[in-house]
Amino acid sequence: RKEVEQDPGPFNVPEGATVAFNCTYSNSASQSFFWYRQDCRKEPKLLMSVYSSGNEDGRFTAQLNRASQYISLLIRDSKLSDSATYLCVVNGASSASKIIFGSGTRLSIRP
Amino acid sequence: DVKVTQSSRYLVKRTGEKVFLECVQDMDHENMFWYRQDPGLGLRLIYFSYDVKMKEKGDIPEGYSVSREKKERFSLILESASTNQTSMYLCASTSLLAGKSYNEQFFGPGTRLTVL
Repeated sequence: RKEVEQDPGPFNVPEGATVAFNCTYSNSASQSFFWYRQDCRKEPKLLMSVYSSGNEDGRFTAQLNRASQYISLLIRDSKLSDSATYLCVVNGASSASKIIFGSGTRLSIRP
Repeated sequence: DVKVTQSSRYLVKRTGEKVFLECVQDMDHENMFWYRQDPGLGLRLIYFSYDVKMKEKGDIPEGYSVSREKKERFSLILESASTNQTSMYLCASTSLLAGKSYNEQFFGPGTRLTVL
């Protein structure tokens, strides 16, 4: 089993739709969680951190479920500019732990 | 504006050549990383460094070495480039959170290396 798993997609949804991705992780001691966005031929950039209580940033909502060991990203009212690959990242409990990237979920928003 | 820069955006080398990829960050981060990214395989960690002159192997260190002589600079070296090292190479840096877990990573723009 991979340490961090994501559905690779692609998700192809119409503009204005709501879309959700999940990311499961295997290490229950993981401490910090992030969603990154990567545009084609560009570097990954932080979209949002994921907090235990859940957090929202405009149209984006991130949730953490420690019991089931997954994080989620919800995008509401999707825009054409949301088309990208979304990477989940899971960090261990100490600086000696690994930073684990999921392989990414491709999202394509159609007009 | 925080920045991670990489020495080249595109590089073409021949099999057997020694290749140097440089990464510089201006955020005074202790931790720096080298990844390669290939279609379908995601980001794979080659090496990381948590302090000057300190280095740790990542998941795929074979065929690579690194150097960290200064805090802001982390170099990746391909001792003898091979065609299977054709890839996108990404450098990143980060600090530690109070609980000693890693904070957000900042990535450089990447170097697309082609080995002929």
